[in-house]
Amino acid sequence: EVQLVESGGGLVQPGGSLRLSCAASGFIFNDYWMHWVRQVPGKGLVWVSRIDTDGSGTTYADSVKGRFTVSRDNAKNTLYLQMNSLRAEDTALYYCARDRSPTMGSMDVWGRGTTVTVSS
Amino acid sequence: DIVMTQSPDSLAVSLGERATINCKSSQTVLYSPNNKNCLAWYQQKPGQPPKLLFYWASSRESGVPDRFSGSGSGTDFTLTISTLQAEDVAVYYCQQYYSMPWTFGQGTKVEIK
Repeated sequence: EVQLVESGGGLVQPGGSLRLSCAASGFIFNDYWMHWVRQVPGKGLVWVSRIDTDGSGTTYADSVKGRFTVSRDNAKNTLYLQMNSLRAEDTALYYCARDRSPTMGSMDVWGRGTTVTVSS
Repeated sequence: DIVMTQSPDSLAVSLGERATINCKSSQTVLYSPNNKNCLAWYQQKPGQPPKLLFYWASSRESGVPDRFSGSGSGTDFTLTISTLQAEDVAVYYCQQYYSMPWTFGQGTKVEIK
């Protein structure tokens, strides 16, 4: 079964850091771009970041550029999002998603998300 | 950034009737090299992650019922549910992947009248 499972969310103070993980299974992980998308409860979807198959190419939304870093370990079939200098507005449910190759942008497999709360 | 605007924000449709959701992009999302529109549609039910329905604007993802259809080109797109079923109650999002940052519409909530 193709599956993505996020972990690492939690409560963190403003200015703090968190690292999210996304464990992939059921498919050849290193064949696919991967994305992070976030959603404030009751609100819409916001794309955050993407990484290409070998990790050499990454892109970020302006709102997180310079603070968040996406990476992957293809040997461990795991995607990461290092989140630094967290702000209250980063509070959201964070999803990892697989790119629907070869569209390079639509997302065909999603995890259930991990919740990040930034609050003092 | 490309702004995606959906209409309406919500709609209530009787079971068995047609539901139509519109999505407009602030600039074209037609990718000339392959003549395909970089537009996806997702369905999100309460408490669940989004589910991909269509990519390239009208290519149906495997397992999506054929009562769902996607159409449009350039800047104007439509998601149609031909005969609404109870299980179609959800929020629907369009998303462009023509240029980064990829952007989503604000969502359209579909309910039963």
